[in-house]
Amino acid sequence: SQTIHQWPATLVQPVGSPLSLECTVEGTSNPNLYWYRQAAGRGLQLLFYSVGIGQISSEVPQNLSASRPQDRQFILSSKKLLLSDSGFYLCAWSWGITFYEQYFGPGTRLTVT
Amino acid sequence: EDQVTQSPEALRLQEGESSSLNCSYTVSGLRGLFWYRQDPGKGPEFLFTLYSAGEEKEKERLKATLTKKESFLHITAPKPEDSATYLCAVQARDTGNQFYFGTGTSLTVIP
Repeated sequence: SQTIHQWPATLVQPVGSPLSLECTVEGTSNPNLYWYRQAAGRGLQLLFYSVGIGQISSEVPQNLSASRPQDRQFILSSKKLLLSDSGFYLCAWSWGITFYEQYFGPGTRLTVT
Repeated sequence: EDQVTQSPEALRLQEGESSSLNCSYTVSGLRGLFWYRQDPGKGPEFLFTLYSAGEEKEKERLKATLTKKESFLHITAPKPEDSATYLCAVQARDTGNQFYFGTGTSLTVIP
């Protein structure tokens, strides 16, 4: 069966510090990978998605970037965090782009102070 | 422009009191509508996918239905363990992989 991992589970970082969140998927190959941010009282916002190694599409211009160095690894980064980057970050995977549900990881709670 | 609207925002039910959650959408050319359950501090858990009007899916006490403008998640005789936030998402024909999520309905089932 497929399993998706995210770490760390929680993170408190000062404004201006760098960020690296990691997501890995087990039990499948060549998954589509996604990064979402969930803010309180708002729906999930798609940040980035990837259909393969080195292929990243950005949905929202922001202070964040993503990379996919390996088939089942997806990394979310920032060089300098802003207060507005606080939120619950979720990684997801799917078999394909259309007609397929997305499966989510446990999430990372990021608080920027 | 809101693509997905869920109602009510919050719902409190007595154990055994059946009800329905609503998800209305405005995307043109629906590819799929997805229901998720999310517990506090955790990632959403996939429940159902609906593709066309008239389709129904069931799982234990939950049944999801789809019309051309909305979907309902019916909860029959809920138990306290059904308490969670239920999220709806839609995928449109002209936006590829993009899922549009609603803000969810927070369900509390009181014993």
